[in-house]
Amino acid sequence: GQQLNQSPQSMFIQEGEDVSMNCTSSSIFNTWLWYKQDPGEGPVLLIALYKAGELTSNGRLTAQFGITRKDSFLNISASIPSDVGIYFCAGQTPQGGKLIFGQGTELSVKP
Amino acid sequence: DTEVTQTPKHLVMGMTNKKSLKCEQHMGHRAMYWYKQKAKKPPELMFVYSYEKLSINESVPSRFSPECPNSSLLNLHLHALQPEDSALYLCASSREPPLSPTYNEQFFGPGTRLTVL
Repeated sequence: GQQLNQSPQSMFIQEGEDVSMNCTSSSIFNTWLWYKQDPGEGPVLLIALYKAGELTSNGRLTAQFGITRKDSFLNISASIPSDVGIYFCAGQTPQGGKLIFGQGTELSVKP
Repeated sequence: DTEVTQTPKHLVMGMTNKKSLKCEQHMGHRAMYWYKQKAKKPPELMFVYSYEKLSINESVPSRFSPECPNSSLLNLHLHALQPEDSALYLCASSREPPLSPTYNEQFFGPGTRLTVL
């Protein structure tokens, strides 16, 4: 079945640093979604991408839909302690159907 | 308003108990989902309801029984669960069903933390 390779698995950074994570696949996707999940809570949608090459920002977050339609990245600038959590990418293929999730990137921010 | 609500927040049950999880959305979304999530893992799809009809069952054991009483409500009935069923159960909704070619973001609820003793 389709898989999304998300990296890195975990990151330990200092407050104020920038962060970058990405997801890649061998299959083409027509939707990329980025979620953040705090412990014990449900995933919260951060950014949705629908067009190849699309670059979208949401505050300190920026995400891009890769030109090949097989990858996406999420950048967080000037990290703060509340950025701590697990970030998941998720994609939907042109055939539609269920979302395919990456394995998550666990972010820790040291004040 | 992009809110999906779930009750209860926490649930502890024995293996012989019968309980239900509830989910509600008032966004007019036409699809609702149940996911199971283990710690630090991605959500795993269990069921999808499209226009109040079950459209996807990911080979979930029959001890989990979904129900969609109307377009805003989704239940998950639990019976004779096993300790390995302990997890965070997430409900989600989307404006269109998953096979729709149009934009289709899924919005998640806060989840129910289930512990089976």
